[in-house]
Amino acid sequence: DTAVSQTPKYLVTQMGNDKSIKCEQNLGHDTMYWYKQDSKKFLKIMFSYNNKELIINETVPNRFSPKSPDKAHLNLHINSLELGDSAVYFCASSRGHMNTEAFFGQGTRLTVV
Amino acid sequence: SQQGEEDPQALSIQEGENATMNCSYKTSINNLQWYRQNSGRGLVHLILIRSNEREKHSGRLRVTLDTSKKSSSLLITASRAADTASYFCAPHSGNTPLVFGKGTRLSVIA
Repeated sequence: DTAVSQTPKYLVTQMGNDKSIKCEQNLGHDTMYWYKQDSKKFLKIMFSYNNKELIINETVPNRFSPKSPDKAHLNLHINSLELGDSAVYFCASSRGHMNTEAFFGQGTRLTVV
Repeated sequence: SQQGEEDPQALSIQEGENATMNCSYKTSINNLQWYRQNSGRGLVHLILIRSNEREKHSGRLRVTLDTSKKSSSLLITASRAADTASYFCAPHSGNTPLVFGKGTRLSVIA
């Protein structure tokens, strides 16, 4: 039973399109995250969502928006996709931020052509 | 949030040898966590060491923390080919998300 699941695993799309990546966790955690890992394997935090409080990394373009229909889901919407958005996106969850481990999904490899 | 800096960037060893990788950070922490990432997969939590702890073990893993030097090390003993992965540290303080560095890429050659 997968703890943190993301769909799709692979996504190939054209520039200018709008796409969504879904994330669900069945761990009962109250905090979820989105990370972006670029081709150099640098993992960058994009968003953190905790009890309806959204913490945004200010370097993330506003074309990216997280949507949380409930505590178990945090979806990532991306508008007007650009070539530079190509990366692997990871969803993660944890029980709060303090002194707890994070559980990661398997990643979504996004390729913008 | 603060980012740890792993060293070395890459490490190649023979199976059976020990692998040591280091992490440095800049400001005080509540805990420091180590994660592993196999190629094409998500990060997997390995071990969490609190700021009042100096050493922690988990199987073949040994983590040390020196808060005076703001550094931590991860030792993998008797390495196996399956240990080939990237290893990330995440120094953690406050009520903030984990932030990761560029990691250490470990290659264990059979």
